[in-house]
Amino acid sequence: GAGVSQSPSNKVTEKGKDVELRCDPISGHTALYWYRQRLGQGLEFLIYFQGNSAPDKSGLPSDRFSAERTGESVSTLTIQRTQQEDSAVYLCASSGRLSGRITGELFFGEGSRLTVL
Amino acid sequence: DQQVKQNSPSLSVQEGRISILNCDYTNSMFDYFLWYKKYPAEGPTFLISISSIKDKNEDGRFTVFLNKSAKHLSLHIVPSQPGDSAVYFCAASAWDGGSQGNLIFGKGTKLSVKP
Repeated sequence: GAGVSQSPSNKVTEKGKDVELRCDPISGHTALYWYRQRLGQGLEFLIYFQGNSAPDKSGLPSDRFSAERTGESVSTLTIQRTQQEDSAVYLCASSGRLSGRITGELFFGEGSRLTVL
Repeated sequence: DQQVKQNSPSLSVQEGRISILNCDYTNSMFDYFLWYKKYPAEGPTFLISISSIKDKNEDGRFTVFLNKSAKHLSLHIVPSQPGDSAVYFCAASAWDGGSQGNLIFGKGTKLSVKP
């Protein structure tokens, strides 16, 4: 499709396991963002990519979280040794560029719901 | 410290009336503001934006007002429709001269429009 695609849509895992969440942005979008939304909370910024580099990793909650992006396309968010507090919907978004500035109009995927038991 | 605040977690209005959703920010470097709408089990969708060089932007039933001196913006929906019922997120960004950087979101306001 033409939108942002995320997989898996739902993931249930046991505490201590590693998980990988995948995001396919809109083709041609240079910026890619990861956010998460815990139950009853707002959108919490995790990391964003400009091309394949990540200028801002300030939102990653701990060193158990990492993300990479290759080919200015697909991105993977990895959570190692998952904890129950990692349970959330992880949202990916991409954005194009207009007049030298990313427009800011993020296009979001439907999210990956992670449940850590 | 929250840089973008939506102090009303919920708002209920009657169909046909005006909905006003408020947002305050603390970072004076923010210069671009957006509103997103989110339905349950879906990702947020972009609604309307405003640059700091403007104080008003209108798109159909949706108007965003920006008061830079007060670091306040609001989204007006008129007339409100039941299909507008959703969670509305305010977001802000700062231009650093190289790239946009990240968008900072508020916690959202759940709007319920009653028929």
